[in-house]
Amino acid sequence: EIVLTQSPGTLSLSPGERATLSCRASQSVSSSNLAWYQQKPGQAPRLLIYGASSRATDIPDRYSGSGSGTDFTLNINRLEPEDFAVYYCQQYGSSPLTFGGGTKVEIK
Amino acid sequence: QVQLVQSGTEVKKPGSSVKVSCKTSGVTFSSNAISWVRQAPGQGLEWMGGISPLFGPANYAQKFQGRVTFSADKLGSTSYMELSSLRSEDTAMYYCARNSGYHNVAYFDPWGQGTLVIDS
Repeated sequence: EIVLTQSPGTLSLSPGERATLSCRASQSVSSSNLAWYQQKPGQAPRLLIYGASSRATDIPDRYSGSGSGTDFTLNINRLEPEDFAVYYCQQYGSSPLTFGGGTKVEIK
Repeated sequence: QVQLVQSGTEVKKPGSSVKVSCKTSGVTFSSNAISWVRQAPGQGLEWMGGISPLFGPANYAQKFQGRVTFSADKLGSTSYMELSSLRSEDTAMYYCARNSGYHNVAYFDPWGQGTLVIDS
């Protein structure tokens, strides 16, 4: 099983700043099969990024993903008020599918 | 647009079973697999497994093997997740999600709104 470790656990930033979230895998994720999701309180997760760097439909271009192998990053440029949420990475390169523990982006 | 709508909150006694439904609309039901993910209160996301309505059989995470059953009603465009021998640690929000393809190894988009299962 591939274990995903997200860091930091919490990121305290102000609107307009840039957020950099890390997701590290215990072994290489095949074909960069890594996705990122955003979850707000009381809501279901929403897909942001798939294939490590492809934005999902209707996701603004201030969101970008990068990385390969065992190290992946989600960047959010110019944080908007609606971006403060919890973010999860997920690998779908091999079964069982696994999620990281999440990074909470909170308002400083 | 594609929508997954789940059944409502369930309050269950320990040892009993729960069956959650997930109705797909706006797209051909059989074309993609459906996965189930749960989230305990204040915790992260946990994949339970998935089922391809077209190809089957279901693929279960080892943790849930023998206790969970996925099924699909093609005519009704509805997927089901049944979890038996409920215990307190099964109290969680249960989500269905549409896989990115017909296979069970995929990313998920969109997700259902979630069904809360509570241990009474």
